[in-house]
Amino acid sequence: DIVMTQTPLSLSVTPGQPASISCKSSHSLLRSDGKTYLYWFLQKPSQPPQLLIYGVSNRFSGVPDRFSGGGSGTDFTLKISRVEAEDVGVYYCMQTVGVLWTFGQGTKVEIK
Amino acid sequence: QVQLVESGGGLVKPGGSLRLSCAASGFSFSDSYMSWIRQAPGRGLELVSYISGTGYTVYYPDSVKGRFTISRDNAKNSLYLQMSNLRVEDTAVYFCAREGERGLDHWGQGTLVTVSS
Repeated sequence: DIVMTQTPLSLSVTPGQPASISCKSSHSLLRSDGKTYLYWFLQKPSQPPQLLIYGVSNRFSGVPDRFSGGGSGTDFTLKISRVEAEDVGVYYCMQTVGVLWTFGQGTKVEIK
Repeated sequence: QVQLVESGGGLVKPGGSLRLSCAASGFSFSDSYMSWIRQAPGRGLELVSYISGTGYTVYYPDSVKGRFTISRDNAKNSLYLQMSNLRVEDTAVYFCAREGERGLDHWGQGTLVTVSS
């Protein structure tokens, strides 16, 4: 099974300041088709997760451009250029390169 | 617009059974992989199962293999999860989610399953 490890597990950010979350996988997420199957989700309080980023760096429809994803192989990062109050929640990375899709433990982001 | 509505959750005793349903609308259901993902109280996300559009391909992690069965009725635009021999550790909110071209792009609100004596 591919283990996804996120750091930090919690983050307290002043509005308008940047934030960064790391996600490391135990195996490469690059498949033979040339695509990397790494996603980022945000779960706001009392809501289901919502897709933010797919394929490492592509923002899903409607996702503000203050969110960006990067990385390759086994090391990935989600960045928020200027955190807003509506960005609070738990962020998860996820991989689907293996038959068993796995998630990171989650990073809780709160506003100072 | 895409809608996924889960139902069927509730309180069940250890060893009992429950069947979850997910009603889908707003997209070509038969063309989409569908999945069940759960979240134990205060915990992270865990894949429970997924199924291809035709139903021929299914997957279960070891934690539920042999106890849970995923199925779908494309004529009714519905996804199901038959859960048997339930354990206390199966207590969770169960989400159904669609795998679109860009990943798990739509999720239902979830249904709570509580396994307790």
